[in-house]
Amino acid sequence: NAGVTQTPKFQVLKTGQSMTLQCAQDMNHEYMSWYRQDPGMGLRLIHYSVGAGITDQGEVPNGYNVSRSTTEDFPLRLLSAAPSQTSVYFCASSYSSGFSYEQYFGPGTRLTVT
Amino acid sequence: AQSVTQLGSHVSVSEGALVLLRCNYSSSVPPYLFWYVQYPNQGLQLLLKYTTGATLVKGINGFEAEFKKSETSFHLTKPSAHMSDAAEYFCAVSDLQGAQKLVFGQGTRLTINP
Repeated sequence: NAGVTQTPKFQVLKTGQSMTLQCAQDMNHEYMSWYRQDPGMGLRLIHYSVGAGITDQGEVPNGYNVSRSTTEDFPLRLLSAAPSQTSVYFCASSYSSGFSYEQYFGPGTRLTVT
Repeated sequence: AQSVTQLGSHVSVSEGALVLLRCNYSSSVPPYLFWYVQYPNQGLQLLLKYTTGATLVKGINGFEAEFKKSETSFHLTKPSAHMSDAAEYFCAVSDLQGAQKLVFGQGTRLTINP
């Protein structure tokens, strides 16, 4: 199993550009989520999905869109990048029921917006 | 709303010394509590978790944590630090209704001195 994979690893954007951060998992997890990590602030939840076709907002959703057309993939779209979106982005997945509650994190995408 | 406070953004200990990383949480419902570790340029890895049952939880790499409801704390300890323990550690909380929606503390960077 590859686990949770994210592409690209690094990206530099200019203000106003759009892009999609890719996330895929091969563990048949129902639940997937996106976090951003900023210094001194830990990780904050952007969007999450409890299954294909179902998404919802987290703590900091503004400026980001998501969709979930398959169980495996959960892309994060930046519609018009802003310097405030400079961050490290992590995708995570887990089972949505049961007693494990362990989330598996991808290696992250480091995004710089100039 | 749930929240997590990690006391000390940086902790430095000598190799072989006790490691103590502090975490206090706020939750209006019974919490689920987690410690994650992040090595440089990597994603997060689960160290241990508390959901129900025994309040002293043992995790990987010799770490353990104790859930103390009266103190709303979930401090992480390890009796003897190794150089390989140098990393950033995150405490996180969720609850039964949103078990996968983690709220993270700001993180504690652990440095091990030879």
